[in-house]
Amino acid sequence: AQKITQTQPGMFVQEKEAVTLDCTYDTSDQSYGLFWYKQPSSGEMIFLIYQGSYDEQNATEGRYSLNFQKARKSANLVISASQLGDSAMYFCAMRGSGGGADGLTFGKGTHLIIQP
Amino acid sequence: NAGVTQTPKFQVLKTGQSMTLQCAQDMNHEYMSWYRQDPGMGLRLIHYSVGAGITDQGEVPNGYNVSRSTTEDFPLRLLSAAPSQTSVYFCASNVRVNTEAFFGQGTRLTVV
Repeated sequence: AQKITQTQPGMFVQEKEAVTLDCTYDTSDQSYGLFWYKQPSSGEMIFLIYQGSYDEQNATEGRYSLNFQKARKSANLVISASQLGDSAMYFCAMRGSGGGADGLTFGKGTHLIIQP
Repeated sequence: NAGVTQTPKFQVLKTGQSMTLQCAQDMNHEYMSWYRQDPGMGLRLIHYSVGAGITDQGEVPNGYNVSRSTTEDFPLRLLSAAPSQTSVYFCASNVRVNTEAFFGQGTRLTVV
């Protein structure tokens, strides 16, 4: 079974500071994918970034980067130069290789609040 | 481009009633899935499908049925609604296994 752990239920960060959201995972699969999603107060799920287990480089998408440490089974999201609009719930998720499409396993999320 | 469309957006049911949550995608994605989101928790997988005619159970399938007769549609049926099924339901689709999932806007269901 796969498991995602997000140990920060809530975070307050000053605008323009960098933010690191923690995510650790557990899986016995050799091939898997790690995802981060943002959920603003309006409720929709917004894809941010993806990291494959065999990717040698850490993924980056604009202000988002994923600090992937495979041996430690961690996949932390880094947001550079935070903005007020970054205030939202953030979910780490993974999809394993079992059966090819077992859906995503989500963590419980981190509620990020950016303060001016 | 509509993406993933869920209907209805809001629904109130009485205990014991049945209903179908609709999900349609226009991106020709093979993979579709249903999740529920409860307060303080992440999304949990209910059922998923890897293509028309193929479905399987996720983490929390009890009380729900699915079918996939076309690539576009993946309805979720509540057989006999219970208050424990009060939740926000999300449908998602993705083109391949390890690609981003596109989510619908969600259906907020209340069972009284």
